[in-house]
Formats: sequence, C-alpha cells, structure tokens
Amino acid sequence: NAGVMQNPRHLVRRRGQEARLRCSPMKGHSHVYWYRQLPEEGLKFMVYLQKENIIDESGMPKERFSAEFPKEGPSILRIQQVVRGDSAAYFCASSTDSDSPYGYTFGSGTRLTVV
Amino acid sequence: EDQVTQSPEALRLQEGESSSLNCSYTVSGLRGLFWYRQDPGKGPEFLFTLYSAGEEKEKERLKATLTKKESFLHITAPKPEDSATYLCAPGSSNTGKLIFGQGTTLQVKP
Repeated sequence: NAGVMQNPRHLVRRRGQEARLRCSPMKGHSHVYWYRQLPEEGLKFMVYLQKENIIDESGMPKERFSAEFPKEGPSILRIQQVVRGDSAAYFCASSTDSDSPYGYTFGSGTRLTVV
Repeated sequence: EDQVTQSPEALRLQEGESSSLNCSYTVSGLRGLFWYRQDPGKGPEFLFTLYSAGEEKEKERLKATLTKKESFLHITAPKPEDSATYLCAPGSSNTGKLIFGQGTTLQVKP
C-alpha cells in the first residue's frame, strides 16, 4: 500500500517560469491538503481539496497559485511566474476524512528552488 | 485567531537524558491534538492523537499528554535515533484544518 506520492522530489525553475507539483493520495483517501514549509519555519496550510472541489483555499496566495484535484489523476499545485520567494518545500497530505483520528498522511515533499 | 507555539525551538540532550517538549495552543473548537515527527528531507510522520484533557498516549520512549491549553511530549531515556523535529498540530473543528507549530528540533548525542 503505497503512501502519499509526490513528484518531482526536487524542482528547479527560473524566475517567471511555471512550476507544477503533483500529489497522488494514499489509496482510499479522498481528502488532500497542501502545505508549504519555508526554511526555519513551520508548515503553513495552503489549500484543502476533495475530488473536483476546493474546500478551503484560505492559505493560498490570491495570485499565481492554483490547485486542483480532478476526478481522475493526481492533485496538482500550480505556481505561475515563480519568484525567488516561492522557494520552499511543498508537502501534500491526504486523509480518509476531515476527522480522521490519524490526522493526515504526508508525502515526502517537493523542494522547489527558484533561480 | 488560532495559534500554536512550541518550545524550546531546539533541544540538545545526551543519550539517556530525559526531557519534555511543550506545545501551547489557542484553537477554536479543538477536535484533536496531533503530534508528528519529521526527519530531515522527509514529510511529517504521525505519532499520536489526543482528544481530551488528561489523556495520555505512549509509544516506546515517547509519551504525550494534554491539558486544556497545552500538550507535552515527554522523552524518556532518549537515543540518538530519536533525533528529529517534533511537530504539534491542533485540529480545528471550525476550519477543518491542522494548524502546525514551528516544531522543536531535538538532537540526542551518544
């Protein structure tokens, strides 16, 4: 039973390019969460999705960032026109429901570097 | 506003030297307090969930406790393999999210 799969593990983009981060949740999990972790900082909530629905995007910057979780395929976090400040580790997590006693299962993250 | 503060930020212990990590929180509608362990370059790994004041959970050398405003992670006779960052995350029933503290980075020296 594979865990939460994120790819790529490392991503380097030049300023102004687009970054696409992918997340396949654990089998049987229908809730997906994206968090961002900056160096020396904690995990900051970005967005919470269920299949074909954005439930809460209160932590996502209004511009350049978007997320989706289509009926088929992985969840995608998309960052357009990246800037140096977007450099961070982006973690995806999944759960069976929002009240799971086990919390979330996290992937290993995508480390984005903007040069 | 929901807030989580973990202390200390960093902790160095000798192998076998017991200590405690603190997590203070203010969350509307607490639906559980979660502890995670994060190793460098990896995602957080689930350790415990606590739901009510007075509750305790144990796993090997770790014991987590909960009060109405704080949670403690007690480490008894730690080993070098316990070195990691420990994250506390209360869950809010109002927002449906886990809110993470900045973590305590523990280093255990042999």
